[in-house]
Amino acid sequence: NAGVTQTPKFQVLKTGQSMTLQCAQDMNHNSMYWYRQDPGMGLRLIYYSASEGTTDKGEVPNGYNVSRLNKREFSLRLESAAPSQTSVYFCASNGRGPPGPQHFGDGTRLSIL
Amino acid sequence: ILNVEQSPQSLHVQEGDSTNFTCSFPSSNFYALHWYRWETAKSPEALFVMTLNGDEKKKGRISATLNTKEGYSYLYIKGSQPEDSATYLCALGAGNNRKLIWGLGTSLAVNP
Repeated sequence: NAGVTQTPKFQVLKTGQSMTLQCAQDMNHNSMYWYRQDPGMGLRLIYYSASEGTTDKGEVPNGYNVSRLNKREFSLRLESAAPSQTSVYFCASNGRGPPGPQHFGDGTRLSIL
Repeated sequence: ILNVEQSPQSLHVQEGDSTNFTCSFPSSNFYALHWYRWETAKSPEALFVMTLNGDEKKKGRISATLNTKEGYSYLYIKGSQPEDSATYLCALGAGNNRKLIWGLGTSLAVNP
């Protein structure tokens, strides 16, 4: 059982390039999340999707777009990467019903030069 | 704006010491309080989810308590071991949306 799978694990981009971070979960969870983690800032929510077909902004959505492609997959796109988007990105999911724990992927370490 | 605060920010203890940390949160619209363990170079891993005032949860040497009326939760580690070294995060679920509000964590280092 893979849980939450993120790809790629590492990426280096030049300023202005675009890329999509992929996330898939095999736990039949309804809700999925994208976070970024920066030193001294903790986990900050970029976007989330409460269920298939819906997406909502989190704390720091500027410069990002998301797609909830189906129940399993939730992708994060940087249209024109900026050095300020250098970070570690985590995808997470949790199921419906009682407030269950969030399950995290291994993270994507993204550097923008 | 809801804010979750954790203290202390960091802690160094000797192997065998017992320790505890605090998570403080606004008690209005409380839905759930989560604790996670986050080892360096890994991803956060859920320890406990608590929903009821007075809840106590235990997993091995780690336990947690919850007071929703006064807005705090304690995480206890009994007989700390070097493998307990990690950052411990708490997160608040408030209202009926599915977002969590995260604290900045307590970084624990256990010296052998």
